Amino acid sequence: QKEVEQNSGPLSVPEGAIASLNCTYSDRGSQSFFWYRQYSGKSPELIMFIYSNGDKEDGRFTAQLNKASQYVSLLIRDSQPSDSATYLCAVKHRGGADGLTFGKGTHLIIQP
Amino acid sequence: GAGVSQSPSNKVTEKGKDVELRCDPISGHTALYWYRQSLGQGLEFLIYFQGNSAPDKSGLPSDRFSAERTGGSVSTLTIQRTQQEDSAVYLCASSTSGTGPRTQYFGPGTRLTVL
Repeated sequence: QKEVEQNSGPLSVPEGAIASLNCTYSDRGSQSFFWYRQYSGKSPELIMFIYSNGDKEDGRFTAQLNKASQYVSLLIRDSQPSDSATYLCAVKHRGGADGLTFGKGTHLIIQP
Repeated sequence: GAGVSQSPSNKVTEKGKDVELRCDPISGHTALYWYRQSLGQGLEFLIYFQGNSAPDKSGLPSDRFSAERTGGSVSTLTIQRTQQEDSAVYLCASSTSGTGPRTQYFGPGTRLTVL
């Protein structure tokens, strides 16, 4: 059973601070890792993907991947109230279908 | 020709009826995926189409679920003899098929309610 685990939250962060979202996965052969944001009642929208160890930065967002620890994280700098949403971690496994395995998501609340 | 489109946006049906959900992927995307999201749950992979290859049906929860993709574009997910536990949001996504991470882009979903 290939699993992706996230803390469901809610994670409450003051406006302007750094929000740190974490995700672990069970399949060591996983290849690609995605962070999606989902507002209530809406479909997921892609924030970032990463497939190499280390950090990847895009604006206020930084994805971090550590394959040895089977751990991927998303940092949001200068958090804004509009960042309040559920953040879904998704993993593409090596071989097999291209379907992603999603975690259940972390509910993030940015407090004004 | 923006994003992935799905119809209907909402569907209410009675237990035992059949339903069809439609997905129109992004133009040029050869890969198409169906997921469902139940209340408070993560996204659950259902089925994957890649070009003209046989679909990967490994995520379909029962033989009441089936899907087709005509002409390599539009897809229809059919649920026969619906049950209350089928109530969920059904999401379709599409992606390119080249090398790299093959980012999936999601449609707005169809909210299915089985009474």
